[in-house]
Amino acid sequence: DAGVTQSPTHLIKTRGQQVTLRCSPKSGHDTVSWYQQALGQGPQFIFQYYEEEERQRGNFPDRFSGHQFPNYSSELNVNALLLGDSALYLCASSIPPQGERGYTFGSGTRLTVV
Amino acid sequence: DQQVKQNSPSLSVQEGRISILNCDYTNSMFDYFLWYKKYPAEGPTFLISISSIKDKNEDGRFTVFLNKSAKHLSLHIVPSQPGDSAVYFCAASEIGTASKLTFGTGTRLQVTL
Repeated sequence: DAGVTQSPTHLIKTRGQQVTLRCSPKSGHDTVSWYQQALGQGPQFIFQYYEEEERQRGNFPDRFSGHQFPNYSSELNVNALLLGDSALYLCASSIPPQGERGYTFGSGTRLTVV
Repeated sequence: DQQVKQNSPSLSVQEGRISILNCDYTNSMFDYFLWYKKYPAEGPTFLISISSIKDKNEDGRFTVFLNKSAKHLSLHIVPSQPGDSAVYFCAASEIGTASKLTFGTGTRLQVTL
């Protein structure tokens, strides 16, 4: 049973560019949440998608946007990249009503902005 | 504003002994608490959780204790095994914000032979 799949695993971008990260949830899961983990920090909640809509959002600027597709997969887009956006981006899937108790995390995408 | 704090960045324990990882929080609206374990190059994996209506939850070698008055929780691992060496994150969710977790900064546990 495939867990959460994220792509790519690593990428390097230049300041000012745009990036798209992808996530396929665990089979049977319909909710996708995105987290940013900076070096030496814990993961920080970016937003959550359910039924193709953003349901909750953390304290991140509008440069961070997302999308969920009918097959429940999701994309995270970051525009006008800053050096401070360098981090590990984690995707977690779940299914209500388990919520956070049923989170399955992917291995993440390591983004480096130069 | 760090609402969930893990003040010990690292901990070293001998195999067979007890490991105690601590976590403090400041948000009184947190009602559910979780511990995750993370190995390098992998995503966090759920370990154990506790609701605010309880003060203890056990699962095999892992026990989580919650002291609401002190806004403190701890994870006990007994006995510690070399495979337990990982980074442990404490996380919390708030009433009415289903599935949004606030994480601490993590504690790196090393279990030595």
